[in-house]
Amino acid sequence: DIQMTQSPSTLSASVGGRVTITCRASQNIYTYLNWYQHKPGKAPEVLIYTASTLQSGVPSRFSGSGSGTDFTLTIDSLQPEDFATYYCQQCSSFPPTFGPGTKVDIK
Amino acid sequence: QVQLQASGPGLLKPSETLSLICSVSGDSMSGYYWSWVRQSPEKGLESLGYIYYSGSPKYNPSLEGRVTMSVDTSKKQFSLKVTSVTAADTAVYFCVRGMTTHIDYWSQGTLVTVSS
Repeated sequence: DIQMTQSPSTLSASVGGRVTITCRASQNIYTYLNWYQHKPGKAPEVLIYTASTLQSGVPSRFSGSGSGTDFTLTIDSLQPEDFATYYCQQCSSFPPTFGPGTKVDIK
Repeated sequence: QVQLQASGPGLLKPSETLSLICSVSGDSMSGYYWSWVRQSPEKGLESLGYIYYSGSPKYNPSLEGRVTMSVDTSKKQFSLKVTSVTAADTAVYFCVRGMTTHIDYWSQGTLVTVSS
């Protein structure tokens, strides 16, 4: 299976700030990389798919980049509703695998 | 708006069979893959496999032949069975739409605990 890692595991940020989360794959996954947001007690939601495509309805302050093994999720101008845990996921090979998550909390 | 709702027993004994059903509303099941994901502190998020609306399931080899998925488009439901459960199957289970490219809808999680 392809192993996914994320850094940092937690980060504290302020409203209005910029957040960058990194995801790394154990082998080349081209751009088959997705990002999800998960808030406690809620269903997770897709933010970005195929590395950089913004899901319909997701605010433009979210952006994704990268290819191969290294990927980044950036949140510009962090809003109160953005405090959550973020996961990356690869769909390049079966089984799809997820990163361990990055928890973004309030500074 | 697509909504998914997972349901099933929340407490099982070791060696029993886990059975969950996911009910789909807000869209047709046709043309989509339907999947199950679970989350535990030990393994994080884990994809269990997926099934196309017309069949042809594909399972995560890590489940070692214990998993079965099925779909009933007439009821707008799909299901998961995991046999011979152990404490390692204790997790929050999500039913989701998609998986081959990305997941576009998730259910809220349902906790399944395996304990004697």
